[in-house]
Amino acid sequence: DVKVTQSSRYLVKRTGEKVFLECVQDMDHENMFWYRQDPGLGLRLIYFSYDVKMKEKGDIPEGYSVSREKKERFSLILESASTNQTSMYLCASSSTGGGGQETQYFGPGTRLLVL
Amino acid sequence: GIQVEQSPPDLILQEGANSTLRCNFSDSVNNLQWFHQNPWGQLINLFYIPSGTKQNGRLSATTVATERYSLLYISSSQTTDSGVYFCAVDHDYKLSFGAGTTVTVRA
Repeated sequence: DVKVTQSSRYLVKRTGEKVFLECVQDMDHENMFWYRQDPGLGLRLIYFSYDVKMKEKGDIPEGYSVSREKKERFSLILESASTNQTSMYLCASSSTGGGGQETQYFGPGTRLLVL
Repeated sequence: GIQVEQSPPDLILQEGANSTLRCNFSDSVNNLQWFHQNPWGQLINLFYIPSGTKQNGRLSATTVATERYSLLYISSSQTTDSGVYFCAVDHDYKLSFGAGTTVTVRA
C-alpha cells in the first residue's frame, strides 16, 4: 500500500515564525503536491514537484516555498507565518504514466493554527 | 482556470438510502477523480474515471466527458459513508478540486 506521512497532525505557531511541514512517501513516486483545505473552498494547490530539486507554483503560492532534495521527501515552508495561513495542509504523491497511475495518494493532513 | 462545481453541498441520508452526487466542470479534462474524506481528515481515492462507468462495491461513478459532468452513486448507504466527497479534475496536469459534498448518514 502507498503510504504518505506528514510530520505533524497538529501544530500551533506564532505570527512571524518560520514553519516547516514535511511529507514523506514510500512508493518512489515522481510527483508530490502540497494543498491547503479551507471550509467551502475545497483543496487548493500551493506547490508541486515533478522531480528532485524541481518545483512549480500552484494556484496559491504566495507566502509559501518548498524544497525537494530527495525523491521521497517534499517540504512546505512558511517563511513568516500569518494568521491567514491557519488551515489544514495536505500532502499528496502520484506516479507518472497513464491508465490511472496518476491517482493521487494523500497524507493524513496537518492542522496548523497561527496565533 | 477551470471551474469545478459540486452539488448538493450537503446531504443527509437515512441508513439504507441511495443518493447521487454531481460534479460539473467548465473545460475539457485529462482525467477526473472522486475522493472521500473521512471525519478524521484522511482523503481516499475512490475512482479514477476520465470517462465511462466504474463500480466498486456499493459505489459507482459515471463521467460524461463530452457534457462535462460526472456522477457518484451511493447505494444502500451506511454510517461509514459519512464524510466529504470531492471531485477533482486534471487540467494542465494539475488537479482542481470542487468544494465538496458533505454527506451525513444517520442510523
